[in-house]
Amino acid sequence: AQRVTQPEKLLSVFKGAPVELKCNYSYSGSPELFWYVQYSRQRLQLLLRHISRESIKGFTADLNKGETSFHLKKPFAQEEDSAMYYCALGFYSGGYQKVTFGTGTKLQVIP
Amino acid sequence: SAVISQKPSRDICQRGTSLTIQCQVDSQVTMMFWYRQQPGQSLTLIATANQGSEATYESGFVIDKFPISRPNLTFSTLTVSNMSPEDSSIYLCSVGRLAGVQDTQYFGPGTRLTVL
Repeated sequence: AQRVTQPEKLLSVFKGAPVELKCNYSYSGSPELFWYVQYSRQRLQLLLRHISRESIKGFTADLNKGETSFHLKKPFAQEEDSAMYYCALGFYSGGYQKVTFGTGTKLQVIP
Repeated sequence: SAVISQKPSRDICQRGTSLTIQCQVDSQVTMMFWYRQQPGQSLTLIATANQGSEATYESGFVIDKFPISRPNLTFSTLTVSNMSPEDSSIYLCSVGRLAGVQDTQYFGPGTRLTVL
């Protein structure tokens, strides 16, 4: 079955320190992976997706099929990065497209 | 992008009653999804709602408990029927503009439901 695992419920880092939010997935097909973010009192929104190979707000994520990982990284954390981050996997099941989310990691950037 | 609104934003209900949540999108979209986010947990897909066809429910969710309507390409409703305290959750509507698993989903603000 498709699964997304985010092992850390909470990650605390100091401002200016590097950030890595871990995400591992299990899926037998070709994965489509996303990172969604939810800032305090805001709705869930897309941060980035692997197919775009983009850097958003300094964040990058590389799909490693060998390790089945899609870790989110940023070299220097900023206070405004404090938020809830969800890794997500898009896939087809029974002819329908679906998305399964990880349990989320709360990033806390300490001033 | 797509702008999505949900009504109500929150509600407190008595057990045994039903609540209908509305999801309105500012443009026509192909795919609409309903999720549940229980306290401290991740998002769980309830069903996919495509216009002109029956909603497709995920394992553990049934139409009698969560009937869904999708009358047009900009609107959908989710009803939580015969509620119990275990239904207390945030219910989220999301949309995809395109068909395809690489498509971005856009989320509504959520409806926070408390069942007493």
